[in-house]
Amino acid sequence: QVQLQESGPGLVKPSGTLSLTCAVSGGSISSSNWWSWVRQPPGKGLEWIGEIYHSGSTNYNPSLKSRVTISVDKSKNQFSLKLSSVTAADTAVYYCARSGADYDPQYYYYYYYMDVWGKGTTVTVSS
Amino acid sequence: SSELTQDPAVSVALGQTVRITCQGDSLRSYYASWYQQKPGQAPVLVIYGKNNRPSGIPDRFSGSSSGNTASLTITGAQAEDEADYYCNSRDSSGNHPFGGGTKLTVL
Repeated sequence: QVQLQESGPGLVKPSGTLSLTCAVSGGSISSSNWWSWVRQPPGKGLEWIGEIYHSGSTNYNPSLKSRVTISVDKSKNQFSLKLSSVTAADTAVYYCARSGADYDPQYYYYYYYMDVWGKGTTVTVSS
Repeated sequence: SSELTQDPAVSVALGQTVRITCQGDSLRSYYASWYQQKPGQAPVLVIYGKNNRPSGIPDRFSGSSSGNTASLTITGAQAEDEADYYCNSRDSSGNHPFGGGTKLTVL
């Protein structure tokens, strides 16, 4: 069964770059899944950051796109998040997740879901 | 618009049925997925697709969709269902917005 584990510094200075890695175990990052990052500021809701496919294709939240880079390392079976020019507003619990997608031909609907999540890692932006 | 709108809070008596809704234009083309989150824990997928439950999710959880509205229904709510619930979808630009979340209280 696939498990995900986030890792990275818990404290980042303002204007610096936040860097996190998500290690995938129990399965291959080259499977037919996308791999996502989601964050949650203290006391607030979930915010989707972006996703990557093992080919390197990415999609990003438009509100964060100018500061976000998600990359994949197939040799290490992991993917990473970099968020530049951070401020206190980027303080949050950061989660990585495995994403799936499919199509319902009967009703002409697409669907998308995040079925495996890491436990999350807290990142604080402070000097 | 890629926004998804949820009621901030809903309450239900123990054993009764509750519906949590999510509205957004993208739901006319994409089914919502639903996530349960308890304090201090990572979100858990409870419903995806038309009405699919991952392994281990009780059958009292169900999903439906009509027009621009997706619904998560809990039939016979239990005390352990008290949690925050988030909907998520995808829009045509590749964005995957979450709803603002609904805090469910089981009375």
